[in-house]
Amino acid sequence: ELKVEQNPLFLSMQEGKNYTIYCNYSTTSDRLYWYRQDPGKSLESLFVLLSNGAVKQEGRLMASLDTKARLSTLHITAAVHDLSATYFCAVDATSGTYKYIFGTGTRLKVLA
Amino acid sequence: SAVISQKPSRDICQRGTSLTIQCQVDSQVTMMFWYRQQPGQSLTLIATANQGSEATYESGFVIDKFPISRPNLTFSTLTVSNMSPEDSSIYLCSITLPGQGSGGYTFGSGTRLTVV
Repeated sequence: ELKVEQNPLFLSMQEGKNYTIYCNYSTTSDRLYWYRQDPGKSLESLFVLLSNGAVKQEGRLMASLDTKARLSTLHITAAVHDLSATYFCAVDATSGTYKYIFGTGTRLKVLA
Repeated sequence: SAVISQKPSRDICQRGTSLTIQCQVDSQVTMMFWYRQQPGQSLTLIATANQGSEATYESGFVIDKFPISRPNLTFSTLTVSNMSPEDSSIYLCSITLPGQGSGGYTFGSGTRLTVV
């Protein structure tokens, strides 16, 4: 059974600081997705990582994928309050089915 | 990218009743997915709904409890039947457009269900 674990589960950080969220998954997959969820809202797609070594950046967020280590990271640079949200990674349960297993989520709070 | 309209956005229901959630997509899609997000938790896939065939349910979810319809390529409904307080969750429909965004999901706005 595919498991997707994130750490930390909760993260409180000061504005201006850097931090990394980790997403580990238990079986082979060459696609990984990152989503953001604001409280009471739906999910917003952030990044789609499609191959080993893929790196995507948008603003203060950068995501990378290491398929050999079964690890993705979401790096936050110089955090700002607007980044406060819950971040989920997701992995294909079975290649080509588009059935995603979501990670446990990381609730990020950026303190002003 | 496609736009999904999901309704209702929220509802408070009595135990033992049923609620039907609707998702309308502004373009034709083959696969639609229904997820449940329990309070403070991650998302769990309920079922995959393809037009013209029975929905495929994940382990722990059954058709009698969560009947799904998919009458055409732009619409689907999920019914939560004989509700109990444990069904209180956010229910989300989603689609993927394999030719666009390489399989990433677009989500509906979600239905926040509270069962009392």
